[in-house]
Amino acid sequence: QVQLQESGPGLVKPSQTLSLTCTVSGGSISSGGYYWSWIRQHPGKGLEWIGYIYYSGSTYYNPSLKSRVTISVDTSKNQFSLKLSSVTAADTAVYYCARDANVDTAMVFDYWGQGTLVTVSS
Amino acid sequence: DIQMTQSPSSLSASVGDRVTITCRASQSISSYLNWYQQKPGKAPKLLIYAASSLQSGVPSRFSGSGSGTDFTLTISSLQPEDFATYYCQQSYSTLYGFGQGTKLEIK
Repeated sequence: QVQLQESGPGLVKPSQTLSLTCTVSGGSISSGGYYWSWIRQHPGKGLEWIGYIYYSGSTYYNPSLKSRVTISVDTSKNQFSLKLSSVTAADTAVYYCARDANVDTAMVFDYWGQGTLVTVSS
Repeated sequence: DIQMTQSPSSLSASVGDRVTITCRASQSISSYLNWYQQKPGKAPKLLIYAASSLQSGVPSRFSGSGSGTDFTLTISSLQPEDFATYYCQQSYSTLYGFGQGTKLEIK
């Protein structure tokens, strides 16, 4: 059973960089076949896809966040990470990591982390 | 960007009711449409993929239909555990997008 777990600071100051890590267990990122995504949810709001990474390091970001986002992978630790720079209060959200799988030609988020709330405040 | 619009935004229903939630895409997405269920404080859970395929382990009272721009999620007989928020999501474009959600509440 694949499990994902987010970790990182729950409080970040405005203008600083938000950094989160997702640790994957029950499966190897380096085995390929899946993309690894970050998704966020503003309080009481809907879901916003941030971007994904493949085990090779190739990435794709939501254009609305692209200038501030970096997603990286560490296959030796079976982890992938999110950095979001120059944060403001508008970046306060629950951040989820998720596995993006191809199921019968459909791309789906089939496994999710529990989510971690990041608050941007001084 | 492909915009996903769900209706209604909220819905009140009773246990045993049949309910339908609609999702409309701003352009054709073929059948690249998934549905998720989210309960308070929890991560979303995949229910339906490719518009009409039931994810393993999901009860058969959930069903999906549609193609092109118009899609529906139907719950044939609501159970107490089904009261949650439901999201559609398109995977036609690599810029994945979600609907705004439909909150299903107990009447």
